[in-house]
Formats: sequence, structure tokens, C-alpha cells
Amino acid sequence: DIQMTQSPSSLSASVGDRVTITCQASQDISNYLNWYQQKPGKAPKLLIYDASNLETEVPSRFSGSGSGTDFTFTISSLQPEDIATYYCQQYDNLPRLTFGGGTKVEIK
Amino acid sequence: EVQLVQSGAEVKKPGESLKISCKGAGYNFASYWIGWVRQMPGKGLEWMGVIYPGDSKTRYSPSFQGQVTISADKSFSTAYLQWSSLKASDTAIYYCARRPHSTTWRFDYWGQGTLVTVSS
Repeated sequence: DIQMTQSPSSLSASVGDRVTITCQASQDISNYLNWYQQKPGKAPKLLIYDASNLETEVPSRFSGSGSGTDFTFTISSLQPEDIATYYCQQYDNLPRLTFGGGTKVEIK
Repeated sequence: EVQLVQSGAEVKKPGESLKISCKGAGYNFASYWIGWVRQMPGKGLEWMGVIYPGDSKTRYSPSFQGQVTISADKSFSTAYLQWSSLKASDTAIYYCARRPHSTTWRFDYWGQGTLVTVSS
């Protein structure tokens, strides 16, 4: 099975800071990687698909990059409403879609 | 407006059966895959499986194969997740989500989640 290692598991940053989260796959998954945001008590929300494509109506401060085994998710300027847990999700091998362990983002 | 509306919270005892639902609205329900995702208390997301309501083709994560049954009734625009014998470890929030028309597996619309509590 493909394992997704997401880091860090949590971070604390100031409003306006650049925030970076990484996701590493245990084998090459091309660009088959999505990123989701989950706010407390809410359902996940798709932000980035196919590693670097911004979902419709998602603010441009969110971005993604990478291919193969190493992927990065970036918030260019952290806003208070970005407090959430972020998950990567790979889809290289159905039926084994897998999520990373999540990164909890807090405001310092 | 696309919506996925899930059934309400459930409290069950170990060994009981349960079927929860996810009703789609605002789009052609039969033509889009629906997935189910588990989130245990305080934990991350786990993909359980998907169904194509048009022909009820189903794919399960190996971790959930044989543990749950995913079904759909396209005439009611509703997908289901069911258990024949619940365990305490099934306590979790369960989300349904829609896969858009795409060659890739992402989920663009999500239900609000159904909390299932299994306790004696």
C-alpha cells in the first residue's frame, strides 16, 4: 500500500506568515495528489487537485506543487479563517485511496 | 446548487445493524461516483469505498471490505452505508462525498457528516 507521510503534524504561525506543509508518498504517484481543508466540526473541503490545480473559488493564497513522491502545500499569507487541519490524499491506486495524517494549523 | 444531505446522528448498541444515507440534489445523481470517508474521534480521514449509482458498481478499500456495505438507489438519488453488526470501534463521523466528472479521484462536494455512536 502507498503510505502518505504528512509533516508537520501541527504548526503555529502568525497572521501573514507563509505556511508550508509537505506530503511524501512511499512510491511514485505522479501528480495524483489532492489537498483538503477541514475546519473544526465541518466536512473537508477540496482546495487543490492534481497536485497544483486550485479548486474553483478557492483563494489564490493557497497553492500546491510537486510530483512523484514529494509534494508541498503552501498558504502564502496565513489568515485567521485558515485555522483548520489540512490533509493530503493520493489516488494512484484504486481502490486504495489514502489520506495523509493531517496537519493542524493554529495562529500564534 | 449541488448538495449532499446525510441522515441524522445515530446511537446504537454493539451487535445492532445500521444503515445511514446520503441524498444528492442539484445534479444528476446517477452519473457521479459517491465515496464514503470515516473519521474516528479526534483522528484523521480514512477512505472506505465508492459507488457509481448509475450501475451500482462498487469499490472498497481493503480495510473496509467485508466490514460495511455501500449501496445506492438512483431513483431516490440516495447512497447508503450499512453495517450488519456494529462494534464500538465503528464509533465515528461518516462523510459522503461526490467525485466530479474527471479522470482523477478527488471529491468536490461533501455531506455534513453522520455521527454514529456505538455503546453498550
